[in-house]
Amino acid sequence: AQKITQTQPGMFVQEKEAVTLDCTYDTSDQSYGLFWYKQPSSGEMIFLIYQGSYDEQNATEGRYSLNFQKARKSANLVISASQLGDSAMYFCAMREGRKTSGSRLTFGEGTQLTVNP
Amino acid sequence: KAGVTQTPRYLIKTRGQQVTLSCSPISGHRSVSWYQQTPGQGLQFLFEYFSETQRNKGNFPGRFSGRQFSNSRSEMNVSTLELGDSALYLCASSPPNSYEQYFGPGTRLTVT
Repeated sequence: AQKITQTQPGMFVQEKEAVTLDCTYDTSDQSYGLFWYKQPSSGEMIFLIYQGSYDEQNATEGRYSLNFQKARKSANLVISASQLGDSAMYFCAMREGRKTSGSRLTFGEGTQLTVNP
Repeated sequence: KAGVTQTPRYLIKTRGQQVTLSCSPISGHRSVSWYQQTPGQGLQFLFEYFSETQRNKGNFPGRFSGRQFSNSRSEMNVSTLELGDSALYLCASSPPNSYEQYFGPGTRLTVT
């Protein structure tokens, strides 16, 4: 079974509007972390935001926020006030286990976001 | 602070050859992970090194190997290249006691 599911292969949003990118995950671990990365056409993976499984508050980083719903096993990324430079592929990823168990990430298939002027 | 660097950025090899890719982590980071990205399989974990020891390994054949040096720099080697090894190879480093991973720009390998 897929551990990370991103059901939106492509999304379109108007500049200055907000957009939500969906991510659901599957794990039996109590300790895990959820990440969102942005990958422009250049290929580099840019870290956006992180949410730990024990964090009670939703993570926020500037225009990015993570809507974490633990019971539903979802970790949606919300981008507010979209900009043209936000057009890229977005990946949701999960790291299972405690910090001492290593840094292996499992990625979803990604969502291609296009911001229209 | 300088980011994760990977060399070379682009590489073209012939089937059957071998290749070595290099990754220099962010200063102070001791964990280095490698990922393969292809259009068909997406992003897949290859292996992770921490303090010169392989700590995690993904589901790849033995043709894929790696190592880490005392300065935390890491190399990955692919022997007997196949056409299907054409991919973007990404390296990531992690700071101590943190879940965060920071990626380099990647090495785009083309096997002909």
